[in-house]
Amino acid sequence: QKEVEQDPGPLSVPEGAIVSLNCTYSNSAFQYFMWYRQYSRKGPELLMYTYSSGNKEDGRFTAQVDKSSKYISLFIRDSQPSDSATYLCAMSGDTGRRALTFGSGTRLQVQP
Amino acid sequence: DVKVTQSSRYLVKRTGEKVFLECVQDMDHENMFWYRQDPGLGLRLIYFSYDVKMKEKGDIPEGYSVSREKKERFSLILESASTNQTSMYLCASRGMGYLWGYTFGSGTRLTVV
Repeated sequence: QKEVEQDPGPLSVPEGAIVSLNCTYSNSAFQYFMWYRQYSRKGPELLMYTYSSGNKEDGRFTAQVDKSSKYISLFIRDSQPSDSATYLCAMSGDTGRRALTFGSGTRLQVQP
Repeated sequence: DVKVTQSSRYLVKRTGEKVFLECVQDMDHENMFWYRQDPGLGLRLIYFSYDVKMKEKGDIPEGYSVSREKKERFSLILESASTNQTSMYLCASRGMGYLWGYTFGSGTRLTVV
């Protein structure tokens, strides 16, 4: 079983829809949670990060972490065609040298 | 802006060749990483380095080695390329203590024939 599970999609939505992207994980030591966005033929770029449980909002994006359920979510409001990309969740324990563990990514297509 | 530069966007190599993938970062980051990305498998960690001349195996180090002689440069070496190493290779760097702040390069698409 993978440490981080993520539905690969593709997820196709109309412009303006609310998008929900999710990951589950098994390692209770994970404390830092991130979402990366990857456009085609590019490297991933950091979108949002949170520490431990709770919500964090940045413009149209909201990240949620539920450590009791080992479940994290990314919500995109008023989705735009420019949001079409692959979204990767990533997480890490609290040791400075530890590398991130990534989900497999969900491909999102926002139709104009 | 932090920049992570991977020397090649596309490479085609023959089975059995020794292959070098180069990665350079310009922000004095201590930590550097090599991942490979495959459809359905996501990013898998090959090796990482937390300082010059230091390296640690990731989840899939078999068939690979690395070199970090200078802080800004982290090289991935395929000792004898095989077709199952055809993949997208991504390099990343991160400052110490900044756990979420990976900066990725644009990737090298390697095809082994």
